[in-house]
Amino acid sequence: EPEVTQTPSHQVTQMGQEVILRCVPISNHLYFYWYRQILGQKVEFLVSFYNNEISEKSEIFDDQFSVERPDGSNFTLKIRSTKLEDSAMYFCASRGPSYEQYFGPGTRLTVT
Amino acid sequence: AQRVTQPEKLLSVFKGAPVELKCNYSYSGSPELFWYVQYSRQRLQLLLRHISRESIKGFTADLNKGETSFHLKKPFAQEEDSAMYYCALRQAGTALIFGKGTTLSVSS
Repeated sequence: EPEVTQTPSHQVTQMGQEVILRCVPISNHLYFYWYRQILGQKVEFLVSFYNNEISEKSEIFDDQFSVERPDGSNFTLKIRSTKLEDSAMYFCASRGPSYEQYFGPGTRLTVT
Repeated sequence: AQRVTQPEKLLSVFKGAPVELKCNYSYSGSPELFWYVQYSRQRLQLLLRHISRESIKGFTADLNKGETSFHLKKPFAQEEDSAMYYCALRQAGTALIFGKGTTLSVSS
């Protein structure tokens, strides 16, 4: 069964550095999402992407964040200048024509 | 504002006991509600959607608009049901709003 994959599984970075989190959605899906979960807190929506543009974003998704689908398979989340409070688990999800969002295993981002 | 509340952080039951995981929501429109489950070391996966009114792995959930609730129930818990359960609301677009989650622990 096809799955959403994410790399790396764990990323450690220093405050102020740029990070790129990578996701490979399920191949025939058209809707892509990023969520994050700070330790001990709820899973929070960041952004959705459809037809090569952002379709929705939350208040969390400020100018420090950007998303891209650089080729036909990858979907990336970039954080330009990381802060300590960006430390979280970041989940990618994709959706086909049905309502169900399929989640990746997550990338744990640690900002030191 | 849209919000999903799961009041219990942890629910511990014995095998064979009934389970009810609580979920309340606030949403001004017509809600679409889901239950997602995350087993140990696995990814989040969809368990139930209110519109489908299915029973998956013995779990059911009924949307009660009067009480703004979408509680997840199972009459007889199994050890393999131990997991983290998240209630989620789909807002006007396609993004999901999650509750904080409830850890279900089923022991023998």
